[in-house]
Parts: sequence; structure tokens; C-alpha cells
Amino acid sequence: AQTVTQSQPEMSVQEAETVTLSCTYDTSESDYYLFWYKQPPSRQMILVIRQEAYKQQNATENRFSVNFQKAAKSFSLKISDSQLGDAAMYFCAYLISSGTYKYIFGTGTRLKVLA
Amino acid sequence: ETGVTQSPTHLIKTRGQQVTLRCSSQSGHNTVSWYQQALGQGPQFIFQYYREEENGRGNFPPRFSGLQFPNYSSELNVNALELDDSALYLCASSSGLAGAGETQYFGPGTRLLVL
Repeated sequence: AQTVTQSQPEMSVQEAETVTLSCTYDTSESDYYLFWYKQPPSRQMILVIRQEAYKQQNATENRFSVNFQKAAKSFSLKISDSQLGDAAMYFCAYLISSGTYKYIFGTGTRLKVLA
Repeated sequence: ETGVTQSPTHLIKTRGQQVTLRCSSQSGHNTVSWYQQALGQGPQFIFQYYREEENGRGNFPPRFSGLQFPNYSSELNVNALELDDSALYLCASSSGLAGAGETQYFGPGTRLLVL
């Protein structure tokens, strides 16, 4: 069965510091996508970063980057120069992109940014 | 360009009743997905519609059904409501071929309470 596991229910980081959120997944598929979504308190979920499984190069978006280890089925998110606005729930998600489509989300990591 | 909107924002129903939730996709988007997010949990994928056809479904019973209209607005219908159906229901729209990993744009959600 396809699963996504986020083993850190909550993380804290000092403003301007770097933090890494962990995500592992289980799949037998070879073709899929991985995502990190951010859900601020009482605000809409937004995409942070996306990784295609067939690409070996790790995706980056400004202060956000991923460490994608396909063999280990690991997909961690690194946030550099953390800002107060980064405080939110972060969800790791996986898209099965062959045949019928299905998204699977992890249980989330709550990130607190300390001033 | 308007974003994804959902109605109503909040809803209270009693067990056994039926409910219809509505979603207006972002302009130009032909794919819509629906999610159920219980309190403190990650979103659970219900189903996805692409050009008015369901092309992906999560582990939800048939009493969860949907429609996508020619203007790409969408409805989620839930029959025979159960207490466990109490949750935030999110819709998300995207453009392009379904399953291609396109960015999903989420609405603010409808919070359903079943008594």
C-alpha cells in the first residue's frame, strides 16, 4: 500500500536558522510526483515545492529545497533563513501518476518559528 | 484571475442527512480534486475529476459522489451522513492533463459538522 510518513509532529526553529522536515513514503510505482504543501493557520493550503521522481536533481524554490533519495524513499524539506511567516503545518504528499490518479498526504509537521 | 472558492464556509447537519458542497475552480482549470481533512490530520483524497469524468478515487464509500460541470465548477455530495464525516472538506483545482503533477490550488474549505 502507498503510504506517506511524517515522523515529526512538531518542529521549532529560530528565526534566520535552517530546519529540515522529514518525509518517507512507500510505493512500488516508478513514476510519481512528490510535493510539500504549507497550510498556515486558518489559511489556504499552498504548494511549496514539487519533485518529479524521474529527475535526480533536487528541486529548489528560493529558501526551500528538498533532499530526494529515491532508493531510500525519502523526501525531506529544508527551509533556510527561516522567517516568522514560515510558521504553518507542512504536509508531504505523493501523487500516483499512472492509470487512475491518487494523492496521498502525510499527517503533517507543525513548524514553529521562534523570534 | 479569481482563486478557488467554496460554499458554504460552514455547515451543520444531522446524522442520516445528505449534503452538497460546492467548489468553483480557478479560471482555466479543468481538473478538480476533493479532500476530507479531519481535525489535526492530513487531507484524505476523495476523488478527482478531469473534464467532467472521475479519473481517480481514494478509499471512500460510494455515498461520497461528485460532479464536475462544463464550466469546471464542481460538487461533492455525501449521503447518509455519519458522525465521522465531520471534517474540513477541501477542493483543489489544476490545469493540464490530470496526473501530470500540476500545481493544485486549494480553496478555503467547507467545515462540516454532523450531529
